[in-house]
Amino acid sequence: QSVLTQPPSASGTPGQRITISCSGSNSNIGSNPVNWYQNLPGTAPKLLIYSDNQRPSGVPDRFSGSKSGTSASLAISGLQSEDEADYFCAAWDDSLNGSVLFGGGTKLTVL
Amino acid sequence: HVQLGESGGGVVQPGGSLRLSCAASGFTFSNYAMHWVRQAPGKGLEWVGVISYDGTRTNHADSLKGRFTISRDNFGNTVFLQMDSLRAEDTAVYYCARVGRLYYYVGLAWFDPWGQGTLVTVSS
Repeated sequence: QSVLTQPPSASGTPGQRITISCSGSNSNIGSNPVNWYQNLPGTAPKLLIYSDNQRPSGVPDRFSGSKSGTSASLAISGLQSEDEADYFCAAWDDSLNGSVLFGGGTKLTVL
Repeated sequence: HVQLGESGGGVVQPGGSLRLSCAASGFTFSNYAMHWVRQAPGKGLEWVGVISYDGTRTNHADSLKGRFTISRDNFGNTVFLQMDSLRAEDTAVYYCARVGRLYYYVGLAWFDPWGQGTLVTVSS
């Protein structure tokens, strides 16, 4: 069981705006930056959002990230069929010797 | 062009060993910590461990300590994952990934880029 909690699934229709949540604790999201990854089947994960709300070059501005306390969210606006993928949040955790935690992943379906 | 490429995956019997390699190009390899992440079939992402930019420090996932070891060769621009006492549950695609900021060893889960991954299957 992942320490970062995401809903297992989300869905939306083309053009819609959806959000995916990621809940953690003070030792991870509450004290370290959150990052989001898009994972298409059979391909390597791709960085979507880093440092809570920063987009790498090449990522459309339809994707945005936010964080408040020990929770973070990924928003996708103007949903497109090619957005159908698995989405993972990730954050460093300060417990013990430190480690990287991933959320369990959210499978986004574009209806 | 920044690139990572894993190799060394394959089929191994339970209890066996395997050494994965990740070759880097397009950036100053010795300035970046490197991570390994794995993904079991149909499952989510699991962090394996990290090695500092200079190779002097490593940190491995608690569940894997004692069996998996990360090392690097900064002259050859390669990071390695030595996997011993392999179990069926270690079956996964293994990715190497570069941390997103120079010299950072801890505190970041910002990975860019990732390699294409290499499949390790532990089966008799």
